Amino acid sequence: DAMVIQNPRYQVTQFGKPVTLSCSQTLNHNVMYWYQQKSSQAPKLLFHYYDKDFNNEADTPDNFQSRRPNTSFCFLDIRSPGLGDAAMYLCATSREPQGIQPQHFGDGTRLSIL
Amino acid sequence: AQSVAQPEDQVNVAEGNPLTVKCTYSVSGNPYLFWYVQYPNRGLQFLLKYITGDNLVKGSYGFEAEFNKSQTSFHLKKPSALVSDSALYFCAVRDNSGAGSYQLTFGKGTKLSVIP
Repeated sequence: DAMVIQNPRYQVTQFGKPVTLSCSQTLNHNVMYWYQQKSSQAPKLLFHYYDKDFNNEADTPDNFQSRRPNTSFCFLDIRSPGLGDAAMYLCATSREPQGIQPQHFGDGTRLSIL
Repeated sequence: AQSVAQPEDQVNVAEGNPLTVKCTYSVSGNPYLFWYVQYPNRGLQFLLKYITGDNLVKGSYGFEAEFNKSQTSFHLKKPSALVSDSALYFCAVRDNSGAGSYQLTFGKGTKLSVIP
């Protein structure tokens, strides 16, 4: 089945130690998104890639960066994680950014900061 | 700016009874509306969407939703709730006018608990 896969499912890192979360997709979608979701809250969009074009949300901290080396993979880099960055990070894909098709989500990576 | 309101943090319903999860929206143009469900430690799963046409849309797992333009609502419904429907439900909107944000705006979520 075509899907969105996030690795790892659980990640523990130390305060200030860089961490990378990964996402891959077999849907061949043009757009890949990264969301941050804190406990029982709505997902908050951090940024998205439309093909190779990177689009950052205005309120996304500089501490968060992303890479998309090819269509299938996208990475979320947190340069210096703080305690407030502990959250579930969700990757999603869609065919087009403003289309009528729904976004497809991975199962997320739960990030803990020690 | 586009926005979504889910007025109830939690909805409790007895198994076998009908359920409703409420959603109202605000957009400058016409809305694209979506419902997603999230089970614990999982991603969001798409349930159904309204784009245009018939106001009553049917989706996965027996869920349906009714688009009401005059009330700017898109309530999620199911005739007979199952314990396995217990989860967190998110309503989302996108403005299709081109003037609004491309981004999908989510409500804060409603926790549905179906009691055996």
